[in-house]
Amino acid sequence: EVQLVESGGGLVRPGGSLRLSCAASGSRFYAFAMHWVRQVPGKGLECVSSINHDGGITYIDSVKGRFTVSRDDVQKSLHLEMNSLRPEDTAFYFCARGQGGYSHVAFDIWGQGTMVIVSP
Amino acid sequence: QSVLTQPPSVSGAPGQRVTISCTGNSSNMGANYDVHWYQQLAGLAPKLVIFDNTNRPSGVPDRFSGSKSGTSASLAITGLQADDEADYYCQSYDYHLSRSVFGGGTKLTVL
Repeated sequence: EVQLVESGGGLVRPGGSLRLSCAASGSRFYAFAMHWVRQVPGKGLECVSSINHDGGITYIDSVKGRFTVSRDDVQKSLHLEMNSLRPEDTAFYFCARGQGGYSHVAFDIWGQGTMVIVSP
Repeated sequence: QSVLTQPPSVSGAPGQRVTISCTGNSSNMGANYDVHWYQQLAGLAPKLVIFDNTNRPSGVPDRFSGSKSGTSASLAITGLQADDEADYYCQSYDYHLSRSVFGGGTKLTVL
């Protein structure tokens, strides 16, 4: 059974940085698109960044230039480098796997999430 | 403001049928991109319940069904049970934004 486990969340001051990681079990990690989805407590889901199996990357406008997504297919891991953090980045961050290699397919496996709090 | 529009809440009694709508536009659902649905129980990660408009992942009961037509989609749940009470989200791909987009979510209350 494929599992995703996030780590790296925590409390950080505005302007600070955090690096989130997502460790995957199972095979063929390289074949799937991977995503970071965030959720402000009590609010909806927002796909922050996606990275296709071929390395194609997208970001929502509000994090462009501040967040960097990367993947290591050998280590079966996904990362999100978050810089210049703002209070509005406070949210649970979920790692999710796409059913296929590109971003238009469903997210079939989700991690449990890691909380990021940006506060003075 | 979410790209996909869902009603904030729906409710139904045990055993009843409820539907949750999801409305998009010509750059997502209307461009023939598929719609997917997720169930999020309180305090847990989302779980895929319908993919590619009408398909159920293994383990999801056949009480859950999906449909799509043009720029609209629906999730139907029949034989409503107490443990169906959750938030439900639709998702599609938007080619103008070049990314996946979610609806704002619908809270299902089982009366």
